[in-house]
Amino acid sequence: GAGVSQSPSNKVTEKGKDVELRCDPISGHTALYWYRQRLGQGLEFLIYFQGNSAPDKSGLPSDRFSAERTGESVSTLTIQRTQQEDSAVYLCASRLNPRDASTDTQYFGPGTRLTVL
Amino acid sequence: AQKITQTQPGMFVQEKEAVTLDCTYDTSDPSYGLFWYKQPSSGEMIFLIYQGSYDQQNATEGRYSLNFQKARKSANLVISASQLGDSAMYFCAMRGEQGAQKLVFGQGTRLTINP
Repeated sequence: GAGVSQSPSNKVTEKGKDVELRCDPISGHTALYWYRQRLGQGLEFLIYFQGNSAPDKSGLPSDRFSAERTGESVSTLTIQRTQQEDSAVYLCASRLNPRDASTDTQYFGPGTRLTVL
Repeated sequence: AQKITQTQPGMFVQEKEAVTLDCTYDTSDPSYGLFWYKQPSSGEMIFLIYQGSYDQQNATEGRYSLNFQKARKSANLVISASQLGDSAMYFCAMRGEQGAQKLVFGQGTRLTINP
């Protein structure tokens, strides 16, 4: 079946502009995650959605970052008033069912490369 | 605090040789899961292998195996018979502590397979 998809694949924006990044998880996956990967670094957790539960926003670096998810489908990550330090690859992942330890694996999308000039 | 450490920023290996990528971890949770992901130049994170802390045997998936040494808190990835297509970044990760659903990643190791 189809994997996790993200759009756009690349985004170049000017400092101070707002951007929206989109993620379509694997169909049937109840959990969705956003991560950030700066150049040459590992992934940093940003936010986690699971069904109708309140999202875990503990990784969001500032109040300029927000995310929404519609039911168990599409998610949008919004960065307001972008700064050059926001330049990174933003990766989305989904997981079948976090309540089932046998389905622990997160499957990642191709990412959105954000460049803030 | 929870931490994943990958001490090899880069490794160079001849094709067809076996390679071991190091990963050590620290956590206060008695139950945890460890993962390895491959990230080729295209950028996508590809899941390779998973080891649960209570699994009795080391995980294996094709040419990938995980050398899990719980007492030493290490979870090294072994790739047998390396291929040119194995050239990529490799990340070790573990599930967040206290039920946190996130993955905590190491800094990665860049593996280059030479012909």
